[in-house]
Amino acid sequence: GAVVSQHPSWVICKSGTSVKIECRSLDFQATTMFWYRQFPKQSLMLMATSNEGSKATYEQGVEKDKFLINHASLTLSTLTVTSAHPEDSSFYICSAPGGRDEKLFFGSGTQLSVL
Amino acid sequence: QKEVEQDPGPLSVPEGAIVSLNCTYSNSAFQYFMWYRQYSRKGPELLMYTYSSGNKEDGRFTAQVDKSSKYISLFIRDSQPSDSATYLCAMSEVRNQGGKLIFGQGTELSVKP
Repeated sequence: GAVVSQHPSWVICKSGTSVKIECRSLDFQATTMFWYRQFPKQSLMLMATSNEGSKATYEQGVEKDKFLINHASLTLSTLTVTSAHPEDSSFYICSAPGGRDEKLFFGSGTQLSVL
Repeated sequence: QKEVEQDPGPLSVPEGAIVSLNCTYSNSAFQYFMWYRQYSRKGPELLMYTYSSGNKEDGRFTAQVDKSSKYISLFIRDSQPSDSATYLCAMSEVRNQGGKLIFGQGTELSVKP
């Protein structure tokens, strides 16, 4: 199946700093990628849809100025958590549709801990 | 009421048991149904992908969809300790999921040796 690489796998930062998370489609092109957030023992919640060459689409309640998304190329989307605070600590996962049926393939996730 | 309901467990079974995982949903427009396996602190991995009602088998895994009852199941035969993970059901209205994939809460499964 298609491979989606996400980096870093975990990050610890101080409150007020910004953190960038990368999501790459390794063996296919992705004009669209998705960013999710997952709290412990809860399901994935879609945060935003990243579109190559245009602005991201954010879900209701997600602050676009706090979670900056840049889809720089057909294989790379980045999520920047700006001025991170402890309540932003969570597991962030990206995904991209790939293959003939455009099934959704997920990155390995990034655990963000804000001190 | 959530669109997709899934018992979070945890579910503990002995090695070799048959495991049954289930989800119910309320949106009759859902047509595509998926099961993902997620190991702790990892991204979900697609296990099964089915369209509309019916059964689909892949190795030790069988997915069932009953659209009339709005109920889907995943069966795992001859369960192994390596099957211990959280299993997420997911569903969508359209083939190109377009980010409108609705996930269940996930069921935590533990298979004891």
